[in-house]
Amino acid sequence: EPEVTQTPSHQVTQMGQEVILRCVPISNHLYFYWYRQILGQKVEFLVSFYNNEISEKSEIFDDQFSVERPDGSNFTLKIRSTKLEDSAMYFCASRENGNIYGYTFGSGTRLTVV
Amino acid sequence: EDKVVQSPLSLVVHEGDTVTLNCSYEVTNFRSLLWYKQEKKAPTFLFMLTSSGIEKKSGRLSSILDKKELFSILNITATQTGDSAVYLCAIMNYGGSQGNLIFGKGTKLSVKP
Repeated sequence: EPEVTQTPSHQVTQMGQEVILRCVPISNHLYFYWYRQILGQKVEFLVSFYNNEISEKSEIFDDQFSVERPDGSNFTLKIRSTKLEDSAMYFCASRENGNIYGYTFGSGTRLTVV
Repeated sequence: EDKVVQSPLSLVVHEGDTVTLNCSYEVTNFRSLLWYKQEKKAPTFLFMLTSSGIEKKSGRLSSILDKKELFSILNITATQTGDSAVYLCAIMNYGGSQGNLIFGKGTKLSVKP
């Protein structure tokens, strides 16, 4: 079964550093998403991406964050100047056009900011 | 503000028990309600509900939506230890979104042998 792949599975970074979280969505999917889940809290929407641009973003997704699809397969989330409160599990998801059933999550990257 | 509330937040049962998990919501432009199971990492899809009163079933799991009262339930019969997980309810709405989901906090189910 097709999977959404995220790397790394766990990243530890120093406060103030920049991190890039990587995702490889399912190949025929057109909509891409980033969500985060702070430990013990609910999964929160960050941003959706379609047709090579951001289609929607939440209040969490401020200037510290950016997304990119640098080539035909990768979808990245960059977090600049990380803060302790950025520590969370970050999930990438993708879905194909017109098929809400096909919404698939990756296994996540656990980001720990120290 | 859109809101999804799940109850209970946690639940401990014994194998063989039947459980009912609840999800209520207040959202604008409701499109669908989705249930996910989250074990260690990624949420995995269980059901999507769009119409009221139509039960969806998959093995021992079933779910139904009430769009008038704005809630859904997820039932698990004859629970097994493998059902232990966090069960997430999420809403997808229309409007400007491209299908982003609004999640509840989840119900943590622990099934004891």
